[in-house]
Amino acid sequence: GAGVSQSPRYKVAKRGQDVALRCDPISGHVSLFWYQQALGQGPEFLTYFQNEAQLDKSGLPSDRFFAERPEGSVSTLKIQRTQQEDSAVYLCASSLRQITEAFFGQGTRLTVV
Amino acid sequence: GENVEQHPSTLSVQEGDSAVIKCTYSDSASNYFPWYKQELGKRPQLIIDIRSNVGEKKDQRIAVTLNKTAKHFSLHITETQPEDSAVYFCAARAPLGGSNYKLTFGKGTLLTVNP
Repeated sequence: GAGVSQSPRYKVAKRGQDVALRCDPISGHVSLFWYQQALGQGPEFLTYFQNEAQLDKSGLPSDRFFAERPEGSVSTLKIQRTQQEDSAVYLCASSLRQITEAFFGQGTRLTVV
Repeated sequence: GENVEQHPSTLSVQEGDSAVIKCTYSDSASNYFPWYKQELGKRPQLIIDIRSNVGEKKDQRIAVTLNKTAKHFSLHITETQPEDSAVYFCAARAPLGGSNYKLTFGKGTLLTVNP
């Protein structure tokens, strides 16, 4: 595709509900990152994939957060039993290789009510 | 891990004036420093970057300087225009080991250019 695509753009979840956020990276991009951006803040690193391998998940805030990229392309970020503090924009970024520019998707705005 | 501090958090300038945003980083192993511009409701987009083997880089009205010794880098925008109004984020890339790295962002600067 032309760029990194994320879906849905907006998600409202009731507290306790599970959600799944999707990221379609640019075709051929090896590296994929998930970030969480709270209102008025910079993106905070969540996790990183190189192809299908999740090489760093140190930013995931709790064991309710889980990410996968089973075939090395599309990635899904899953949040179980959502809490109000999970409300944020979740950004996905991809890059061709480790040392090249990271391109961001438009994000998914998650609101937990 | 890497920690990136960014100042100021808000900046208001008159059209035509210059704007400067400053960032410091903590990990001396960081070797790549991109700047992103994020307009309201849109994705962050790379506007300029600098690698650790270079002290300054310029692209038309924007420039970035890097002082590795002091571990700080700055974004300079000259002849500002209303369309420069946005949130600007600095970032630092630190190696995680092997060929892996992590990009750490500052908290952002809201730049407003008044016509």
